[in-house]
Amino acid sequence: EIVMTQSPATLSVSPGETATLSCRASQSVSRDLAWYQHKPGQAPRLLIYGASTRDTGIPARFSGSGSGTEFTLSISSVQSEDFAVYYCQQYNNWRALSFGGGTKVEIK
Amino acid sequence: EVQLVQSGAEVKKPGESLKISCKVSGYSFNNFWIGWVRQMPGKGLEWMGIIYPGDSDTRISPSFQGQVTISADKSTRTAYLQWGSLKASDSATYYCARAWTSGTFFDFWGLGTLVIVSS
Repeated sequence: EIVMTQSPATLSVSPGETATLSCRASQSVSRDLAWYQHKPGQAPRLLIYGASTRDTGIPARFSGSGSGTEFTLSISSVQSEDFAVYYCQQYNNWRALSFGGGTKVEIK
Repeated sequence: EVQLVQSGAEVKKPGESLKISCKVSGYSFNNFWIGWVRQMPGKGLEWMGIIYPGDSDTRISPSFQGQVTISADKSTRTAYLQWGSLKASDSATYYCARAWTSGTFFDFWGLGTLVIVSS
């Protein structure tokens, strides 16, 4: 099983600042990496797939980068609606898809 | 509009059986995979398994093999997750989600079904 580790567990940012979230894979997943946003009481929302491709309708302030074992999700000029938990997910090992533990982005 | 509507919250006792559902609309049910994801209280997301309603091809995570059954009914456009004998540790929120292939990301999700197992 590929273990996905996200850091930090909690990130405190002020509106307008840039948030940088990290996701590390225990072995290479190439660029088979997705990012999701999850707010309480809502369905998770796909933000990024293929490590850097934004899903339809996702604002340009969300950007993904990385390959292999190191990935980053950046949120530039964080808006109030961006405070949520963010998960990465690898799909390189299709027999055992796996998610990271999540990073909570909270208001500073 | 793609929608995945999940069944309501359940409160069950250990040892009881349970089947929760995920009814889809807005796309061709037979041509996409439906996955199930568990979120235990205060924890992250765990992939449980996935089914292709077109031919009922099913893949179960090794972590959940033998613990749950995933099925789909094409006539009602509904996917199911079921347990034969619940344990307290099955208490969690369960999400269904759509995927283009068996080994990929999930582009649409349901709101989740809360399952509480307590004596």
